[in-house]
Amino acid sequence: AQRVTQPEKLLSVFKGAPVELKCNYSYSGSPELFWYVQYSRQRLQLLLRHISRESIKGFTADLNKGETSFHLKKPFAQEEDSAMYYCALSGGSQGNLIFGKGTKLSVKP
Amino acid sequence: NAGVTQTPKFQVLKTGQSMTLQCAQDMNHEYMSWYRQDPGMGLRLIHYSVGAGITDQGEVPNGYNVSRSTTEDFPLRLLSAAPSQTSVYFCASSLDLRGPYNEQFFGPGTRLTVL
Repeated sequence: AQRVTQPEKLLSVFKGAPVELKCNYSYSGSPELFWYVQYSRQRLQLLLRHISRESIKGFTADLNKGETSFHLKKPFAQEEDSAMYYCALSGGSQGNLIFGKGTKLSVKP
Repeated sequence: NAGVTQTPKFQVLKTGQSMTLQCAQDMNHEYMSWYRQDPGMGLRLIHYSVGAGITDQGEVPNGYNVSRSTTEDFPLRLLSAAPSQTSVYFCASSLDLRGPYNEQFFGPGTRLTVL
């Protein structure tokens, strides 16, 4: 079954600390993976996609097919990174995005 | 461009009432979808459409109806509201149905409470 797992509901770190938000997936084909972010009182928006291999706002994510993971990382967290983060897999039977349950990142000053 | 717009922002209903959540996009996207967001559950797909006149069910379609008469609009109808439908509803649109470069654009959400 196609599935996205984000094991942490809440991740709390101090400003300047490294952060890693975990995402594991289950998919039989070639996965297309994304990270979406929802800042307080803002709409959900795309943060990055695995195919682009880019760094957005200091965040990177590497697809590891062997471990079926797509963890989101940032070396030095900032307070403005506090948000809800969703890992998503494009692979539903209807072609839709399958979302994980989300991880709330709280960056303390 | 306004992007994806949703109305209303907030709504309170009584059990058994019906209502329509409005969604519109001005990006000429073919693919539109409705999700509900519940604490600890993430986003779950309710219904989606791949173009005008074409709709299909998602993961949690029961109690909801949709139609797509134009490319721009994709309303979600609650036929007889139940407390289990208390949630935040998001409409989204995208250019493509799938693909590694695909990006879904989300509306601001409608917070619905059913008493």
